[in-house]
Amino acid sequence: DQQVKQNSPSLSVQEGRISILNCDYTNSMFDYFLWYKKYPAEGPTFLISISSIKDKNEDGRFTVFLNKSAKHLSLHIVPSQPGDSAVYFCAASASSGTSYGKLTFGQGTILTVHP
Amino acid sequence: DTEVTQTPKHLVMGMTNKKSLKCEQHMGHRAMYWYKQKAKKPPELMFVYSYEKLSINESVPSRFSPECPNSSLLNLHLHALQPEDSALYLCASSPLTGSNQPQHFGDGTRLSIL
Repeated sequence: DQQVKQNSPSLSVQEGRISILNCDYTNSMFDYFLWYKKYPAEGPTFLISISSIKDKNEDGRFTVFLNKSAKHLSLHIVPSQPGDSAVYFCAASASSGTSYGKLTFGQGTILTVHP
Repeated sequence: DTEVTQTPKHLVMGMTNKKSLKCEQHMGHRAMYWYKQKAKKPPELMFVYSYEKLSINESVPSRFSPECPNSSLLNLHLHALQPEDSALYLCASSPLTGSNQPQHFGDGTRLSIL
């Protein structure tokens, strides 16, 4: 049972435009959500996170939105740059219950930003 | 540059060999993790150490044996592995387990079992 889902395996965007990556979750105990970027031959790099007490968190070109009622979050990158081309993973954890202390990852979305 | 250092970067071993993967962090983090990642799949949690004690074992086969000698080091001892154990093994650390703070990953060890 996939508790964190990224339904788009890939996304292609023109340089300078907005990239929107989506993520859905099913476990209502999740209360902390993260986005990681991964280049080939490297480990995942932490990008941005959001706690369930917020609905938006912004860091430079990256903004994460959380819709708890829909169990949905999204990552907006604006403006997109060719160096943003990578695999993006959504992840979630819980501060109690069986998911305490664990990160559950989505399947990833391959973002390609064209010059 | 990653602040979590993993060695070796690549490892090829036979099914009867014994080898170890090493992970080191100097961020003062008290939680450390091992993940396994197969091609085109997300990382899957294997073990969690909190204050040098094993707190989570995700039903990992005993041919994988973790060890946390001190707060900066995490080892994964390998013995009698199977070809399906070939994968990228990632180490991560965070200030504490269960807190709303991100885990930071190393670049992994690419393991191939012959």
